[in-house]
Amino acid sequence: AQTVTQSQPEMSVQEAETVTLSCTYDTSESDYYLFWYKQPPSRQMILVIRQEAYKQQNATENRFSVNFQKAAKSFSLKISDSQLGDAAMYFCAYRDTGANSKLTFGKGITLSVRP
Amino acid sequence: SQTIHQWPATLVQPVGSPLSLECTVEGTSNPNLYWYRQAAGRGLQLLFYSVGIGQISSEVPQNLSASRPQDRQFILSSKKLLLSDSGFYLCAWSVLGYGGYTFGSGTRLTVV
Repeated sequence: AQTVTQSQPEMSVQEAETVTLSCTYDTSESDYYLFWYKQPPSRQMILVIRQEAYKQQNATENRFSVNFQKAAKSFSLKISDSQLGDAAMYFCAYRDTGANSKLTFGKGITLSVRP
Repeated sequence: SQTIHQWPATLVQPVGSPLSLECTVEGTSNPNLYWYRQAAGRGLQLLFYSVGIGQISSEVPQNLSASRPQDRQFILSSKKLLLSDSGFYLCAWSVLGYGGYTFGSGTRLTVV
């Protein structure tokens, strides 16, 4: 079974600086999807960024980018120019490409942003 | 565009009372539907998923059940709530084998 590990329960970053959130996963599949979700205090789950395993290029979405290392099974999220609104829980998630595959989440990391 | 509605937003129920949480999706057909629970602000636990009308798979044996009476409707139920059923419940949908999930806004359930 696939597993997703987020080993850091909490991180803190100064406003306007850059922070990297770590995630590792375990799978025997060669093609799959990886995601980062944000859960602000409202608890709404918001998709931040997605990476397809067959793509070598790292995904980027404005201030958010990933470092996808397929061989190492590592998928970290970099947040540049951190803003107060980035404070939230962040979940790393994995999904294989099967028709009825399910999303497997890590335990999440709480990010605080210092003004 | 696709939207997902989940209600109620907040619910306080006594122990032993029944439960019904509803989730509906608009703008798509034959979605995969999911119920998750999040306890104590931490990880998400998949409770049920459905790939079609009347097709329900349970991930965790518990006091809850799910039903899918219509293509875009997913209901989470309990006949008698336990204190341990308290938590934040999230409904989600996805397209078969593609991409991530889109989540509803969640229901905060407190069993007293």
